[in-house]
Amino acid sequence: SAVISQKPSRDICQRGTSLTIQCQVDSQVTMMFWYRQQPGQSLTLIATANQGSEATYESGFVIDKFPISRPNLTFSTLTVSNMSPEDSSIYLCSVAGAGDYEQYFGPGTRLTVT
Amino acid sequence: RKEVEQDPGPFNVPEGATVAFNCTYSNSASQSFFWYRQDCRKEPKLLMSVYSSGNEDGRFTAQLNRASQYISLLIRDSKLSDSATYLCVVPRTPPGTYKYIFGTGTRLKVLA
Repeated sequence: SAVISQKPSRDICQRGTSLTIQCQVDSQVTMMFWYRQQPGQSLTLIATANQGSEATYESGFVIDKFPISRPNLTFSTLTVSNMSPEDSSIYLCSVAGAGDYEQYFGPGTRLTVT
Repeated sequence: RKEVEQDPGPFNVPEGATVAFNCTYSNSASQSFFWYRQDCRKEPKLLMSVYSSGNEDGRFTAQLNRASQYISLLIRDSKLSDSATYLCVVPRTPPGTYKYIFGTGTRLKVLA
């Protein structure tokens, strides 16, 4: 499986600021996703990062709040904008290959908003 | 019925015991299923994929019951290192979508 890294691994941010999280894969992948895992909860899909086009957002998530870029097949960023304490979560990227439903997750970014 | 439902546990079992978790799903059209393991403060890691009636890998067996719409995960000869949260995952239909629906997870504690 692909090796996935995320930066930063953790951060503490003040409300009203923005944070950009990077996801880097060591090989080209077809699909990249961004998830959120709030404290004590399971994972919720935020959006599918599409290479060269706008991301596809799930219900309850909007581009203004979570802009996503995917300039190529190995890299994506997620920005958490105008943060509030409710955005405190672990944010994870995942990848999947073409025709492969199995997803593999990055190590996550632990975000605390004060 | 929820899209994916799991008993949250915790399941506390002694070393060497056999333990089984169930996961029910609501969409009868679902074709593939996954079990992930998540250790505390770590990312989920793929444990098993289930595309037909079941799958076995060492001490771990996953079984699918389409008629009753549940999948189970059986762990034999439990080890201390098996302590983790086990997440049931069902891709969202229609078939071909990569979008996962996660269960809330079942927490397992294996006791010495």
